[in-house]
Amino acid sequence: GQQLNQSPQSMFIQEGEDVSMNCTSSSIFNTWLWYKQDPGEGPVLLIALYKAGELTSNGRLTAQFGITRKDSFLNISASIPSDVGIYFCAGQPGGSNYKLTFGKGTLLTVNP
Amino acid sequence: DVKVTQSSRYLVKRTGEKVFLECVQDMDHENMFWYRQDPGLGLRLIYFSYDVKMKEKGDIPEGYSVSREKKERFSLILESASTNQTSMYLCASSPPGFSYNEQFFGPGTRLTVL
Repeated sequence: GQQLNQSPQSMFIQEGEDVSMNCTSSSIFNTWLWYKQDPGEGPVLLIALYKAGELTSNGRLTAQFGITRKDSFLNISASIPSDVGIYFCAGQPGGSNYKLTFGKGTLLTVNP
Repeated sequence: DVKVTQSSRYLVKRTGEKVFLECVQDMDHENMFWYRQDPGLGLRLIYFSYDVKMKEKGDIPEGYSVSREKKERFSLILESASTNQTSMYLCASSPPGFSYNEQFFGPGTRLTVL
């Protein structure tokens, strides 16, 4: 099946730093989504992207749908301790209605 | 806000028991999903439903069945629980139309099978 490569697997940063993570695929995706999951909770949708080249912000978070449609990036500016969690990318492959493919996640730790 | 609720946050069952996991959403969403989440394996789709009484197999349906008798409720059934079904189970729903890929998740049920 489809696979998403999400990197980095984990990050340890200082409060106030900017963060960047990305997902790549070997095939074209029609939709990219970014989720955050806190320990013991379900993932929460952060940003949804629908067009190649699209750049969308949600507060301090900015995500982009890559021009090739095979990648997406999430940036977090001026990180704060509550940004700690696992960030997942997810995408809808072409020809795959309803089904999403998920990345393995990026574990973010923010040192106050 | 979309609210997806799951019947239990934690569940402990014995091998061979029949287990029911319930999921309810309050936003009149057409589509509902069941995933399991395991360390190192990420989220894997078990079953999904795009309408009442409709269901489709996901990537790992073996050992599971589902029921969708009402639009707001999607149940996952483990016919005979086994230890390898110990996992975090996540339910999600998504709206019809343009945003059908925007899946909203419940808080999860952590199931332990002894």
